Amino acid sequence: AQSVTQPDIHITVSEGASLELRCNYSYGATPYLFWYVQSPGQGLQLLLKYFSGDTLVQGIKGFEAEFKRSQSSFNLRKPSVHWSDAAEYFCAVSDPGGFKTIFGAGTRLFVKA
Amino acid sequence: NAGVMQNPRHLVRRRGQEARLRCSPMKGHSHVYWYRQLPEEGLKFMVYLQKENIIDESGMPKERFSAEFPKEGPSILRIQQVVRGDSAAYFCASSPGQGETYGYTFGSGTRLTVV
Repeated sequence: AQSVTQPDIHITVSEGASLELRCNYSYGATPYLFWYVQSPGQGLQLLLKYFSGDTLVQGIKGFEAEFKRSQSSFNLRKPSVHWSDAAEYFCAVSDPGGFKTIFGAGTRLFVKA
Repeated sequence: NAGVMQNPRHLVRRRGQEARLRCSPMKGHSHVYWYRQLPEEGLKFMVYLQKENIIDESGMPKERFSAEFPKEGPSILRIQQVVRGDSAAYFCASSPGQGETYGYTFGSGTRLTVV
């Protein structure tokens, strides 16, 4: 069965510092991979997605993620965090062409001045 | 172009009452998905609908929960005889075709509180 693990429940970084949010998945083949961001009281916004091809994916708001097949990971990175990045981040997987997306439990990002 | 509209944003129901959650997909989207988010958890798939058809309801509890997406009007998620454990945020997403290949657009959710 597919699963997604986000090992860090919450992370605190200083504004301007770099960020890496971890995501590991369990799936028989290469799934579709996603990162979403959720601000308090809001819905989810897609940051980026990986289907195939180049394993380094660029997203919105300066985020990127790297798919590493050997590690079953899809970590999200940002070189310099802004206070407005404080939110909850969800990693997700789905069957290629499927519709049932499996979400991780989320990582809450706190940004300190 | 309006996004996915969900209403109400907040809904309070007493135990035993019915909750009706509405979702209007983006214009041109005929595929609707409902997800539930419990506190401190990620979203869990509930049901996938196309116009007038339920495609997959494997994530929806067998009792008290039902969903529809009529030919005209919004998709409705109905919870009968609500219990405290139904308190959660319910999100709707829509897409122009089946699956994530087309990209999901999520609404802002309905936060249901059962008192």
